[in-house]
Amino acid sequence: EPEVTQTPSHQVTQMGQEVILRCVPISNHLYFYWYRQILGQKVEFLVSFYNNEISEKSEIFDDQFSVERPDGSNFTLKIRSTKLEDSAMYFCAKKAGGMSEQYFGPGTRLTVT
Amino acid sequence: GQQVMQIPQYQHVQEGEDFTTYCNSSTTLSNIQWYKQRPGGHPVFLIQLVKSGEVKKQKRLTFQFGEAKKNSSLHITATQTTDVGTYFCAGPRNNNDMRFGAGTRLTVKP
Repeated sequence: EPEVTQTPSHQVTQMGQEVILRCVPISNHLYFYWYRQILGQKVEFLVSFYNNEISEKSEIFDDQFSVERPDGSNFTLKIRSTKLEDSAMYFCAKKAGGMSEQYFGPGTRLTVT
Repeated sequence: GQQVMQIPQYQHVQEGEDFTTYCNSSTTLSNIQWYKQRPGGHPVFLIQLVKSGEVKKQKRLTFQFGEAKKNSSLHITATQTTDVGTYFCAGPRNNNDMRFGAGTRLTVKP
């Protein structure tokens, strides 16, 4: 299975702080995704990224969130001014084109205190 | 975007019993995917169904896509403790993205 790695595995931050979650390395795939999973709940789509720009975003992905692919491989999710309810697992995923399967990273557990 | 509804939310079975989870959509799906997430893990792709009435098997797992392409099911025969986890179906959100169902959490008592 193609590898998707994420760092850090666990991030603890104080409310109001900014966090950057990283998905590395990414290669040979076209589409990249960020998902959120609040503990025990469903996997929620946040944003898809194609050709170095946002392809689609959900209603969750508001101005608090942004994504970048700064160096052509790393794929980052920035969350500004974190809130308690942002505590969740954040998964990065990638896939080739069309309706092919998605490969998920191991996730970053974000805890906002 | 279209929603995919998944039932049941939870299922607890004795080892050796069968298990089925169902996924339903109000609109026709071009395809449906199934993923498994082990406790503490990440979703892992299991299979994709595309054709009306399609049935695919992976060992003890049987996946079906309804004739109308509005529903799908995953059936596990003779569950084992290794089957524990949450099973998600996912339907197309658009041409490239998927929307996940709420998942069915399976626990298996040895």
